[in-house]
Amino acid sequence: NAGVTQTPKFQVLKTGQSMTLQCAQDMNHNSMYWYRQDPGMGLRLIYYSASEGTTDKGEVPNGYNVSRLNKREFSLRLESAAPSQTSVYFCASSEEGGPSSYEQYFGPGTRLTVT
Amino acid sequence: TQLLEQSPQFLSIQEGENLTVYCNSSSVFSSLQWYRQEPGEGPVLLVTVVTGGEVKKLKRLTFQFGDARKDSSLHITAAQPGDTGLYLCAGAWNTPLVFGKGTRLSVIA
Repeated sequence: NAGVTQTPKFQVLKTGQSMTLQCAQDMNHNSMYWYRQDPGMGLRLIYYSASEGTTDKGEVPNGYNVSRLNKREFSLRLESAAPSQTSVYFCASSEEGGPSSYEQYFGPGTRLTVT
Repeated sequence: TQLLEQSPQFLSIQEGENLTVYCNSSSVFSSLQWYRQEPGEGPVLLVTVVTGGEVKKLKRLTFQFGDARKDSSLHITAAQPGDTGLYLCAGAWNTPLVFGKGTRLSVIA
């Protein structure tokens, strides 16, 4: 099993450009998450999807949109990139219910630079 | 808003030393998780503690959940360079998890 995969691994954008970060999981998890990680700020939740067909805002949703394409895939879109969105982006998934509730499995990250 | 405070923020020690890092909150959590993140990678789950007062051991790592389920500690015995990384705690009350900002540990050979 691959677990959680993310593409691309690295990306450089110019201010105003758009792009979509892709995430897929093969663990049949219901919940999926997008985080950004910046030095000194820890992991901050952008959006999450508790189940297929639902999405909710996290702590820092402005400037981002998400799509839960199916149970496996959860994408993050930057419509008009800004330098403040330079960060490392992580996708994660988890199962709900039982002793493993909320235990999250993370992808390897996408390192995005906006110039 | 639930917050998790981790201390210390940075820790640099020699190989073979013992250390303890802390995760504190004013909120009660149903469970608490510890993750380790190595440079260039995503966080990896180490352990989940659920019951107040619970102690779990993972080789040289000992995790404890506070009696009131508001805090936790991670103790490493005889640290090794392979323990180097960012240690994150995360509390569960309701989806989604609340993460602390982490303790960055460097173990020098």
